[in-house]
Amino acid sequence: QPVLRQPPSSSASPGESARVTCTLPSDINIGPHNVYWYQQKPGSPPRYLLFYQSDSHKGQGSGVPSRFSGSKDASANTGILLVSGVQSEDEADYYCMMWPTNGWVFGGGTKLTVL
Amino acid sequence: QVQLQESGPGLVKPSQTLALTCAVSGGSISGGSDYWSWVRQPAGKGLEWIGRIHSSGNTHYNPSLKSRVTISLDTSKNQFSLRLTSVTAADTALYYCARQTGGADYVHYLDYWGQGTLVTVSS
Repeated sequence: QPVLRQPPSSSASPGESARVTCTLPSDINIGPHNVYWYQQKPGSPPRYLLFYQSDSHKGQGSGVPSRFSGSKDASANTGILLVSGVQSEDEADYYCMMWPTNGWVFGGGTKLTVL
Repeated sequence: QVQLQESGPGLVKPSQTLALTCAVSGGSISGGSDYWSWVRQPAGKGLEWIGRIHSSGNTHYNPSLKSRVTISLDTSKNQFSLRLTSVTAADTALYYCARQTGGADYVHYLDYWGQGTLVTVSS
């Protein structure tokens, strides 16, 4: 299974923006793929946040604040989760998920620390 | 509101078969477009997709586990099950069941999750 590469950690101060990235191997073009994002807090199952394929094909999970948004950097073959105006409650692990070839794959996860 | 609840043995011996069930309430597992999935998470580590079954009975499995995994539906009890054979310590994890949307627009997110059940493989 292809590996979805995520940085192990990220940090931001309250009110700042935080970016979490999810990079596909170079032999798989991220362009047509939906990138799904999940948030997981300790002791809880993951929570679906949103998906992003393009500006015209994206969706927000039920009850997910608009400060969570998705995008892509095609040149880097990377999906991006942006958290604008970070709040203390956003401290959690974040996972991307995609179907690159023949099955669903999760990224390794990024721990977002709110300073 | 769909709710899922995992159940099964918390301890399995090496080389034996892990068997878990996921009871679904607040919605039917049959006749719809949704998928019913299993995901696991070793302690302190990331998520791993195990596989899923469509309400039609079609299955998809993680290629790395495919030879050992079976997911099945029991529509009479509104539940689905996971069997993982020949387990080793590497299969020790928190096992989640989840619903995955199966919309015609190819948007397939995992929206409802169980709380997870811990399975330890040890003699």
